Amino acid sequence: SYVLTQPPSVSVAPGKTARITCGGNNIGSKSVHWYQQKPGQAPVLVIYYDSDRPSGIPERFSGSNSGNTATLTISRVEAGDEADYYCQVWDSSSDPVVFGGGTKLTVL
Amino acid sequence: EVQLVESGGGLVQPGGSLRLSCAASGFTFSSYWMHWVRQAPGKGLVWVSRINSDGSSTSYADSVKGRFTISRDNAKNTLYLQMNSLRAEDTAVYYCARGPYGDYVSYWGQGTLVTVSS
Repeated sequence: SYVLTQPPSVSVAPGKTARITCGGNNIGSKSVHWYQQKPGQAPVLVIYYDSDRPSGIPERFSGSNSGNTATLTISRVEAGDEADYYCQVWDSSSDPVVFGGGTKLTVL
Repeated sequence: EVQLVESGGGLVQPGGSLRLSCAASGFTFSSYWMHWVRQAPGKGLVWVSRINSDGSSTSYADSVKGRFTISRDNAKNTLYLQMNSLRAEDTAVYYCARGPYGDYVSYWGQGTLVTVSS
């Protein structure tokens, strides 16, 4: 089945830009979705179809996808952005909905 | 407001069965694909199963195929997950989640904990 690879952790200072990557074979040919999960809470969709934002998600959150890497970018990072972030794609293989292993974003 | 409320979790012995339910409100349930996603303690998200809007098409992760059955009752706005032959590795929080379609999830419930242990 298709494999998505995320770095286990990313650290960023408040006010700076965080970039969380999601690697996969020719992932640029797929649509990538991103979820934020804060401790003890259910996940929340923050980006869908590579770069679209659901209503209520700040413009500071953006996404891109090309080649073998998709990226979630969080600008002007705030303490409240500290969470686990998961990428996800749809694949035509045996498990059609695939999640990455998750990245813990720490705000220093 | 979209609401998804799971129930039916609990402690079950290996080899046992459990049925999870998810009561949906705040949207036209019959128009959306629905999913189950699980998360083992301290681990990441893992997709389990999905069902299309009228219940005619279902998909399962290889890890649960043949043991779990997803279904829905659009008249009752309720999603189900029948889990049989449970194993210790099925221990997780199970989230009910709404499409729009089968390719991603737009809303999540708060989850229900299933613990498989003797």
